[in-house]
Amino acid sequence: DAGITQSPRHKVTETGTPVTLRCHQTENHRYMYWYRQDPGHGLRLIHYSYGVKDTDKGEVSDGYSVSRSKTEDFLLTLESATSSQTSVYFCAISESIIRGRNYGYTFGSGTRLTVV
Amino acid sequence: DAKTTQPPSMDCAEGRAANLPCNHSTISGNEYVYWYRQIHSQGPQYIIHGLKNNETNEMASLIITEDRKSSTLILPHATLRDTAVYYCIVIGGSNYKLTFGKGTLLTVNP
Repeated sequence: DAGITQSPRHKVTETGTPVTLRCHQTENHRYMYWYRQDPGHGLRLIHYSYGVKDTDKGEVSDGYSVSRSKTEDFLLTLESATSSQTSVYFCAISESIIRGRNYGYTFGSGTRLTVV
Repeated sequence: DAKTTQPPSMDCAEGRAANLPCNHSTISGNEYVYWYRQIHSQGPQYIIHGLKNNETNEMASLIITEDRKSSTLILPHATLRDTAVYYCIVIGGSNYKLTFGKGTLLTVNP
């Protein structure tokens, strides 16, 4: 989607290695989110950010960490990848909820991660 | 957080209207109804949202019952490209995190 890009699009890594996924936005939106999607589970929230250096855990945060040092970038790190973290990862952004109560999200195209 | 209930799957003939129902009986006064869809392997796409009035945009119409306990997403002339999983989500107040259920798989048949 315009304004939000994820990198890499595909990655294969070995168990136990660290992996970092990047989400980059050009919309200057305050809120950023990381989701994972697995068959039978739908989309589940991993971590989210409500501003620079302000992050919090979602429902499936174990084994993941995030960082947001500037508005446009939100990084998701798997410190030591496991096979259970094989998934499709989606980043999303949303505008400030203060302006117009807009909760509409824009999603990236996803990163397909395979841990072997 | 209000929960939603959707049928797991629906079929629709190409060119006909697709009506996707959603129950959200525990919705509170400051919560909105949002609809997203996800076409195979793509990121979810915003469709429409509403609070209590019916809404229409270039993609769809949203009909919300007067008691706000249910809503219907209408795709007026479904095409094969509308085949996707459709998610009804209630969000608002201090809760700004989208929570996805299993949604409805809409299959548009030729």
